[in-house]
Amino acid sequence: DIQMTQSPSSLSASVGDRVTITCRASQNIGNYLNWYQQKPGKAPKVLIYAASSFQSGVPSRFSGSGSGTDFTLTISSLQPEDFATYYCQQSYTTFITFGQGTRLEIK
Amino acid sequence: QLQLQESGPGLVKPSETLSLTCSVSGGSISSPSYYWGWIRQPPGKGLEWIGSIYYSGSTYYNPSLKSRVTMSVDTSKNQFSLKLTSVTAADTAVYFCARYHKAQTSTPWDDWGQGTLVTVSS
Repeated sequence: DIQMTQSPSSLSASVGDRVTITCRASQNIGNYLNWYQQKPGKAPKVLIYAASSFQSGVPSRFSGSGSGTDFTLTISSLQPEDFATYYCQQSYTTFITFGQGTRLEIK
Repeated sequence: QLQLQESGPGLVKPSETLSLTCSVSGGSISSPSYYWGWIRQPPGKGLEWIGSIYYSGSTYYNPSLKSRVTMSVDTSKNQFSLKLTSVTAADTAVYFCARYHKAQTSTPWDDWGQGTLVTVSS
């Protein structure tokens, strides 16, 4: 199976900060990488698909980049509603795997 | 507006079978464009894909759960189901049903149910 490793596992930041979360795949996955945001008690919501494509309705402060094994999710200017947990997920193989999550907290 | 709704017992005894159903409204489970699936999340932990199913009945399962998982689809009721046998406390989780468009690059899961907590305990 393809292992997805996110860093950091948790992050404290302030409103207005620029934040970057990293996801590394254990093998080349091309651009078969999605990013999700999950708030407590809610289902995950897709933000970015195919590594850098914006899901409809997602604010433009969210962006994704990378290909192969290394990927990043960037939030250009944190808003209060962005404090949540973020997951990457690969779909390169039919055995879908997620990263362990990055918890973004208010400083 | 597509809606997915999980249903089933919230408490299952160890060694028994967990059974959940996902009811789909606002769209047809028989659409050839979509795969449907189950993803779970133990309390306070990350997401784990359980399996995916097509309207035709073809399935893909997580290898670590494959020996215990069966998924099925009922097009007449616009539902799909999950059965997980021989459960233990490690199967305690929120279970989500979801779908993805099979033609979309990287096939993100873009529609989800609200999730249902299943606790395994005697």
